[in-house]
Amino acid sequence: EDKVVQSPLSLVVHEGDTVTLNCSYEVTNFRSLLWYKQEKKAPTFLFMLTSSGIEKKSGRLSSILDKKELFSILNITATQTGDSAIYLCAVESPPLDSNYQLIWGAGTKLIIKP
Amino acid sequence: GAVVSQHPSRVICKSGTSVKIECRSLDFQATTMFWYRQFPKQSLMLMATSNEGSKATYEQGVEKDKFLINHASLTLSTLTVTSAHPEDSSFYICSASVPAGELFFGEGSRLTVL
Repeated sequence: EDKVVQSPLSLVVHEGDTVTLNCSYEVTNFRSLLWYKQEKKAPTFLFMLTSSGIEKKSGRLSSILDKKELFSILNITATQTGDSAIYLCAVESPPLDSNYQLIWGAGTKLIIKP
Repeated sequence: GAVVSQHPSRVICKSGTSVKIECRSLDFQATTMFWYRQFPKQSLMLMATSNEGSKATYEQGVEKDKFLINHASLTLSTLTVTSAHPEDSSFYICSASVPAGELFFGEGSRLTVL
């Protein structure tokens, strides 16, 4: 059964700390891995990763994919209280009889204390 | 970036009535749209995948007769909650995918069934 596992489920740190969020997956037909930040409403797209070893960066956020070990990490440096959110990882793994399927992780709840 | 709009953003209805939620891709054509439900303090739950011109694919445990999905055009998908009950009260989110695989989320619709 395809699955995406995120760890930790929750994390509390202080402003200025650096955090690393993990996403591991076991899927039959990997196409891409996506990271989202969810706050009050709909998740905000952060990164889409398809190739191993290529780091994607956006400001203080960065992410990388390891297709050999089947995981991705999301790094946030110099954290701010505005980074508090649930971070979602999803893997696109379409089954043979479909053109699209997203498998979601449960999310990591990140709390940044002032 | 691409914009996905949901309407209404908030709806309150009486038990037993039906409610329709629209999801539109405003500046792109979306061959696939997704509907999610979010429970408080929990991650998104994918309800169904909607492909334009074909029947939606429902996730296990989601009643297709309860949650009717219509994807009549490349820019519009609708979710109708039929004979709504208080336990259907939730936050419903849609997203739309572009051929490159990125997902763009709507702002969500909060349904309250009295």
